[in-house]
Amino acid sequence: QSVLTQPPSASGTPGQRVTISCSGGSSNIGSDYVYWYQQFPGTAPKLLIYMNTERPSGVPDRFSGSKSGTSASLAISGLRSEDEADYYCAAWDNSLGARLFGGGTKLTVL
Amino acid sequence: QVQLQESGPGLVKPSETLSLTCTVSGGSISYYYWSWIRQPPGKGLEWIGYIYYSGSTRYDPSLKSRATISQDTSKNQVSLRLSSVTAADTAVYYCARSTTDIVFDYWGQGTLVTVSS
Repeated sequence: QSVLTQPPSASGTPGQRVTISCSGGSSNIGSDYVYWYQQFPGTAPKLLIYMNTERPSGVPDRFSGSKSGTSASLAISGLRSEDEADYYCAAWDNSLGARLFGGGTKLTVL
Repeated sequence: QVQLQESGPGLVKPSETLSLTCTVSGGSISYYYWSWIRQPPGKGLEWIGYIYYSGSTRYDPSLKSRATISQDTSKNQVSLRLSSVTAADTAVYYCARSTTDIVFDYWGQGTLVTVSS
């Protein structure tokens, strides 16, 4: 069981706005940046959001990140079929001295 | 364009040592953190540890006693050794780059390692 908790699944229809949550604690999300990764089957994860809210070059502005206290969220607006993938949050844990990943959320576009 | 390529045996026997190498091209390994991350089949991501170009290392507490990450700056390579493997260590193993602020901006394609006799 992951220290960073994500819902195992999420879904939406094309054009909708979907949010994926990531819940942690004071030693991880509460005290460090949150990162989000997108992974398609059989491929390596891709950095989607860094430092809570920043998008790397090339990531559409449909993707946005936010953080409040010990929780973070990834929002995807204008949902597209190509957004169907697994999404992972990550943060450093100061107590464990380790980089943590959430358990992942499988996004289905209906 | 920075590229990372993992290599090593795809099959390791139980109780033996898993050894993988990540070769970095298109850039130097200097001034970055290099992590190993694994993903068991059908499961989520698990950070194993990192090495900084200075040589300092950090490991996940659950793997600290078995994992060793090293680097060869002359070859622009980072390596992972994981001792006393069991079937639970079967996974796709990735190497990934980080800066102080941006974590895992570049990833290798991953290599599947199966632990079986």
